[in-house]
Amino acid sequence: DAMVIQNPRYQVTQFGKPVTLSCSQTLNHNVMYWYQQKSSQAPKLLFHYYDKDFNNEADTPDNFQSRRPNTSFCFLDIRSPGLGDAAMYLCATSSEAGVLDTQYFGPGTRLTVL
Amino acid sequence: GDSVVQTEGQVLPSEGDSLIVNCSYETTQYPSLFWYVQYPGEGPQLHLKAMKANDKGRNKGFEAMYRKETTSFHLEKDSVQESDSAVYFCALTSGTYKYIFGTGTRLKVLA
Repeated sequence: DAMVIQNPRYQVTQFGKPVTLSCSQTLNHNVMYWYQQKSSQAPKLLFHYYDKDFNNEADTPDNFQSRRPNTSFCFLDIRSPGLGDAAMYLCATSSEAGVLDTQYFGPGTRLTVL
Repeated sequence: GDSVVQTEGQVLPSEGDSLIVNCSYETTQYPSLFWYVQYPGEGPQLHLKAMKANDKGRNKGFEAMYRKETTSFHLEKDSVQESDSAVYFCALTSGTYKYIFGTGTRLKVLA
């Protein structure tokens, strides 16, 4: 009964080669998030969607883009990955109805850049 | 803006020791407070939460009291076990759909 699913769990790409990470959710939550987490650090918010309304963090590089074609799916596109983009990428969801309630995370995608 | 400060770095209690991991927060709003736990290679998962002042979150012997007067949400356990070893994040949300995380505390319980 997985609730937030991320594919793939591990992704290897080459320097400069575009990559797309996927997230799907079975919770029917309005809000979906993408975080970047580097070793021994807290998750860093890249952007979030409220329904189809996209909200970018001011310090998120232009290299990172996102798409949300429907409620269940969200994609993270890294247009030209650099070595510094190697990290765990976490997708999360929360509910509009419970605006102060829990955020649910997926298991993450570990991105390696060669 | 909102912020969360928690015990930095690593904590190394022995099995059976008591534990306190400090968490203090700053916000002008009325937040909900969370402790998330993260095991190696996995995403953070909710450990416990408190939605309003004087609520106490509980899970697997851990407790945290939402104290508005001291703006704190310290994580406590009377007797830790090796299986409690993980990274713990204190977090808040104050209704903007953003969640603010502390830097994380690595708990390694020694056998």
